[in-house]
Amino acid sequence: AQSVTQPDIHITVSEGASLELRCNYSYGATPYLFWYVQSPGQGLQLLLKYFSGDTLVQGIKGFEAEFKRSQSSFNLRKPSVHWSDAAEYFCAVEGGADGLTFGKGTHLIIQP
Amino acid sequence: NAGVTQTPKFQVLKTGQSMTLQCAQDMNHNSMYWYRQDPGMGLRLIYYSASEGTTDKGEVPNGYNVSRLNKREFSLRLESAAPSQTSVYFCASIPGQWAYEQYFGPGTRLTVT
Repeated sequence: AQSVTQPDIHITVSEGASLELRCNYSYGATPYLFWYVQSPGQGLQLLLKYFSGDTLVQGIKGFEAEFKRSQSSFNLRKPSVHWSDAAEYFCAVEGGADGLTFGKGTHLIIQP
Repeated sequence: NAGVTQTPKFQVLKTGQSMTLQCAQDMNHNSMYWYRQDPGMGLRLIYYSASEGTTDKGEVPNGYNVSRLNKREFSLRLESAAPSQTSVYFCASIPGQWAYEQYFGPGTRLTVT
């Protein structure tokens, strides 16, 4: 069965600084990978996805992620964070028809 | 086009009571899912339906039942609610069976006392 690890439960970043959120997955074949963001009290919004092809994928709100098969990683990056980026971020992998497997999430705090 | 809708938004139950969470999508999607979200646990799959007329267990199905009433609707039933079922419940759907982004509803916050 597939699994996802997000090693950082909380991350604090100053506004304007760069951001990298880590995600490691375990899956036997080529994975379908996703990053979702959840603002407090809200549902989940897709930031970006990787299915195949270019290993650097661009998403909404200035986010990007890089798929590295050799490291089983799919880290999320943003060059300069804004206060509105404060939220919970979830990495997820899809291994087939039985839905997504999510990491436990990383809570992003933005310092002014 | 409302996407995925869930009712109710909030619910408080007493232990032992039953209730049904409703989910509907208007995107003509084939597959639908129910997840629960608990602090520090991410989202965990309860049940899913890969197509109309089929349902399958996910990671945490105990204490729940589901019905795929038609292509649009996928309901989640708690027959005898327990405090351990206090959670936020999300419904999601995708056009096919896999390799698509999931579209999530706004969630139902359930408290069992």
